[in-house]
Amino acid sequence: QKEVEQNSGPLSVPEGAIASLNCTYSDRGSQSFFWYRQYSGKSPELIMFIYSNGDKEDGRFTAQLNKASQYVSLLIRDSQPSDSATYLCAVNPGGGNKLTFGTGTQLKVEL
Amino acid sequence: DAGVIQSPRHEVTEMGQEVTLRCKPISGHNSLFWYRQTMMRGLELLIYFNNNVPIDDSGMPEDRFSAKMPNASFSTLKIQPSEPRDSAVYFCASSYQAMNTEAFFGQGTRLTVV
Repeated sequence: QKEVEQNSGPLSVPEGAIASLNCTYSDRGSQSFFWYRQYSGKSPELIMFIYSNGDKEDGRFTAQLNKASQYVSLLIRDSQPSDSATYLCAVNPGGGNKLTFGTGTQLKVEL
Repeated sequence: DAGVIQSPRHEVTEMGQEVTLRCKPISGHNSLFWYRQTMMRGLELLIYFNNNVPIDDSGMPEDRFSAKMPNASFSTLKIQPSEPRDSAVYFCASSYQAMNTEAFFGQGTRLTVV
């Protein structure tokens, strides 16, 4: 079992719709969870992070964490073509400061 | 701050040659990470340093890979000898050594070994 698993996609949504990206992790000791966005040919950049169970909202983005189910998700409301990118889920196994990444989900927002 | 700076941005080399990738972390950050990204395996952690000391090198694929951090502002990743399967994008990232802190990535070095 991989430490961090994501569906590779591509996930296609129409402009204005909600995009839902999911991630599961194996280490119950993980304490912080990050969503990075990576455009083609660019480096990953942080969108948001979450530490506590429940929802965390930041603009059009909402991160959801369920530690009991070892599940993290990212919702993007009012999806825009500029949101088309690969979204990487990252966790810190064992609670340290190193990050382990999933392989990413490619999102395509269509006009 | 200029962010994490990596050099070179692109490197094309012949199989068997030595390759050295360089990284300057963000000033004040005391954790540094080397990642490798390929289509097949995604973003893999190779090694990371806290306060210039290697903490976990379990991701280094084999003895051909080595990394150093002689001071807080500079790190190198060396591959000797290089092989075609080493072709990938290599990212350096830095952060504060603390739990729950994000890592900031450099622009990466695209390595092609022919």
